[in-house]
Amino acid sequence: NAGVTQTPKFRVLKTGQSMTLLCAQDMNHEYMYWYRQDPGMGLRLIHYSVGEGTTAKGEVPDGYNVSRLKKQNFLLGLESAAPSQTSVYFCASSGGTYNEQFFGPGTRLTVL
Amino acid sequence: DAKTTQPPSMDCAEGRAANLPCNHSTISGNEYVYWYRQIHSQGPQYIIHGLKNNETNEMASLIITEDRKSSTLILPHATLRDTAVYYCIVRVLMEYGNKLVFGAGTILRVKS
Repeated sequence: NAGVTQTPKFRVLKTGQSMTLLCAQDMNHEYMYWYRQDPGMGLRLIHYSVGEGTTAKGEVPDGYNVSRLKKQNFLLGLESAAPSQTSVYFCASSGGTYNEQFFGPGTRLTVL
Repeated sequence: DAKTTQPPSMDCAEGRAANLPCNHSTISGNEYVYWYRQIHSQGPQYIIHGLKNNETNEMASLIITEDRKSSTLILPHATLRDTAVYYCIVRVLMEYGNKLVFGAGTILRVKS
């Protein structure tokens, strides 16, 4: 099992460009999450999903959109990137509300 | 959301027990305490969780005070590979699913 994988690992964008981060899990988990981590800080929840076709906002959703068209994939989109979105993005999945979350390796995004 | 307070850093000698404290005085009765760690810039790794009883698994032990306002994570025989940032987290239930509220964590340095 690969667990949780994220694509790409690194990306540099210019202000105003758009991109999509892909998260995939092979554990048949219902719940998936997108977090961001800024230097010296803990992770903050951006959006999450409790099942295929459902998404909800987390703590810091502005400037991001998500989609969960397939159970194993959770996409995070930036329509118009801003320097404030420079961060490391982590995806996680869990089998249920009371289950621990498994994290991917992260995507390091820089917006110039 | 319930917040946690942890010391910013701690040192531990290799082979000795590492005791990491956490205060969560505003925790609600149905909120769990989770511990994760993050090695280098990797994705966070689940360690252990508990509600009000002490818990033990192959990685660590979790001691929760009777009033649930604080807890201690114990790594019984710390190794150099345990050097990481340790996060004490309160899991908050949302309308759908749950979220992990991360703080800044404790940097644990295990020294030979």
